Amino acid sequence: DGGITQSPKYLFRKEGQNVTLSCEQNLNHDAMYWYRQDPGQGLRLIYYSQIVNDFQKGDIAEGYSVSREKKESFPLTVTSAQKNPTAFYLCASSPIPGQETGELFFGEGSRLTVL
Amino acid sequence: DAKTTQPTSMDCAEGRAANLPCNHSTISGNEYVYWYRQIHSQGPQYIIHGLKNNETNEMASLIITEDRKSSTLILPHATLRDTAVYYCIVRVGPGGVTGNQFYFGTGTSLTVIP
Repeated sequence: DGGITQSPKYLFRKEGQNVTLSCEQNLNHDAMYWYRQDPGQGLRLIYYSQIVNDFQKGDIAEGYSVSREKKESFPLTVTSAQKNPTAFYLCASSPIPGQETGELFFGEGSRLTVL
Repeated sequence: DAKTTQPTSMDCAEGRAANLPCNHSTISGNEYVYWYRQIHSQGPQYIIHGLKNNETNEMASLIITEDRKSSTLILPHATLRDTAVYYCIVRVGPGGVTGNQFYFGTGTSLTVIP
């Protein structure tokens, strides 16, 4: 089945440690995105990538880093510089507008708790 | 960048139609209206999208006003499993330029009551 796989689903880390969240898609989508969601809030865009080896900052990129070495993969690193990293992280992908219907497909999310 | 306005919460009786409104008064001519929903602690799920004509699929109907400044998502026979947060988003759709992103607000929390 085609889809987006995020791992791990739950992650606990100590303050000051870097953490990398995995996102893999087999939908052959060009664009991939990372969102953060806090309790009772909407989704906020962290980073996005329209093509391999290229990515752009979203609204809340500080304290995060990404890479896009392969079309299928877009890992997110939450660094120790992120002041409040505890949140629900969602990865998504989409065809570039102009292809298919352009909607976002989401993974099931990764819940990070920093102790 | 809030391009849409939605009520914070709504209730609907099970089996009745749920009508979720969305205002997007600054929508551009090439922007589509997309609807997603998010069940607690899951990834958002695509429901439907449209440009100016009304649209229907197996999940819902989308009614867009003639001036395109507002729309309504209709779940024709709401079930308990439709309890979720519903997001209305405007963005450039098929045929549009790259780099235009989905901006999610806080959405409407729909509770379907038995």
